[in-house]
Amino acid sequence: RKEVEQDPGPFNVPEGATVAFNCTYSNSASQSFFWYRQDCRKEPKLLMSVYSSGNEDGRFTAQLNRASQYISLLIRDSKLSDSATYLCVPPSNTGKLIFGQGTTLQVKP
Amino acid sequence: EPEVTQTPSHQVTQMGQEVILRCVPISNHLYFYWYRQILGQKVEFLVSFYNNEISEKSEIFDDQFSVERPDGSNFTLKIRSTKLEDSAMYFCASSEERAGANVLTFGAGSRLTVL
Repeated sequence: RKEVEQDPGPFNVPEGATVAFNCTYSNSASQSFFWYRQDCRKEPKLLMSVYSSGNEDGRFTAQLNRASQYISLLIRDSKLSDSATYLCVPPSNTGKLIFGQGTTLQVKP
Repeated sequence: EPEVTQTPSHQVTQMGQEVILRCVPISNHLYFYWYRQILGQKVEFLVSFYNNEISEKSEIFDDQFSVERPDGSNFTLKIRSTKLEDSAMYFCASSEERAGANVLTFGAGSRLTVL
């Protein structure tokens, strides 16, 4: 079983919409995750960290559901600039991040 | 905001040639990494480097690859004899400490095209 699994999408939403992605994980001991964002042909950039208490940053909210072993990312009031691939990344003590294919979001005008 | 700098941004080379990709990590970071991304595929870990030695490497990082920190600022990835399948975007990354190793700062990448 893969360490994390995401729906690759693409998710096509209009500007202003609220969209949510889930990421399921297999390691029940995981207590934190990270959402990275990658624009087309650009480097991954850390969007936010997710701990048991969740995290909110402006229009973005991330939650970690340890009982069901999934992480969610909610984007409110989508902007065109939110179009990107969102990568759910499990923790690592070595810096060896394991990236999946991520979920692609396309925000349309 | 501090950033990781990579050069060149794009390199075209002939199969069999040697290529060196250069990176300047963030100055107070101690851990350095190379990742690569073949077009249309996911980002893949190549190697991590700490205290002037390789900490971990993936199966991709075979004898054709080497890394070096020749001075206090540069971190290089060398591919000795490039193959067509080495064509990819190569990302350098760095982190401040092991405990926070998940929070990697990536450079903008070096696109390698092997003909």
